Amino acid sequence: NAGVTQTPKFQVLKTGQSMTLQCAQDMNHNSMYWYRQDPGMGLRLIYYSASEGTTDKGEVPNGYNVSRLNKREFSLRLESAAPSQTSVYFCASSAIGVSYEQYFGPGTRLTVT
Amino acid sequence: AQKITQTQPGMFVQEKEAVTLDCTYDTSDQSYGLFWYKQPSSGEMIFLIYQGSYDEQNATEGRYSLNFQKARKSANLVISASQLGDSAMYFCAMREPFKTGANNLFFGTGTRLTVIP
Repeated sequence: NAGVTQTPKFQVLKTGQSMTLQCAQDMNHNSMYWYRQDPGMGLRLIYYSASEGTTDKGEVPNGYNVSRLNKREFSLRLESAAPSQTSVYFCASSAIGVSYEQYFGPGTRLTVT
Repeated sequence: AQKITQTQPGMFVQEKEAVTLDCTYDTSDQSYGLFWYKQPSSGEMIFLIYQGSYDEQNATEGRYSLNFQKARKSANLVISASQLGDSAMYFCAMREPFKTGANNLFFGTGTRLTVIP
């Protein structure tokens, strides 16, 4: 039982390049989330997927797209990376319900030069 | 408007002593939830404790307890008998439920706790 896994762990991109961050969970959770964490700040929600087949914008969606591939997998795509997207990206998942905590993956440290 | 406020950027505590990390929140909802997460230097986010707005008793999980004062809109984390392994960033977060059943967590800026031997 691996929980939430993310790939890659580290990535360096040049401005304008594209890439996809992968996330998978094996806890049979319905909901999945992508957050970014910038220095000195808490996590901010980029996109979420309440259930398979649905995705919605969070607090900071600009410059990102997502795909809920199936119940297990939720990917985040940067179409044209910008230095402002340098951050640590966390994927999370949770069961549906008010008291269920979100389980986080180990994070992806992305640098855009 | 900022939903979660953590006013202590850094805290120090002597090993085996108790420490309180402050958190205040802002919401007009009657139903909400409050979470604390720990982020060690390795970077992962570890769930510690949850308090629901309708819970009458303060939540406790081992050495962690949440001092929930609803009228003051505060949800302070108390760590008893601090250990060196407690040195980490601690984030307070509030759940804002979406109609879809998913939950958005609004995070504070965190408090870095250092336990001194």
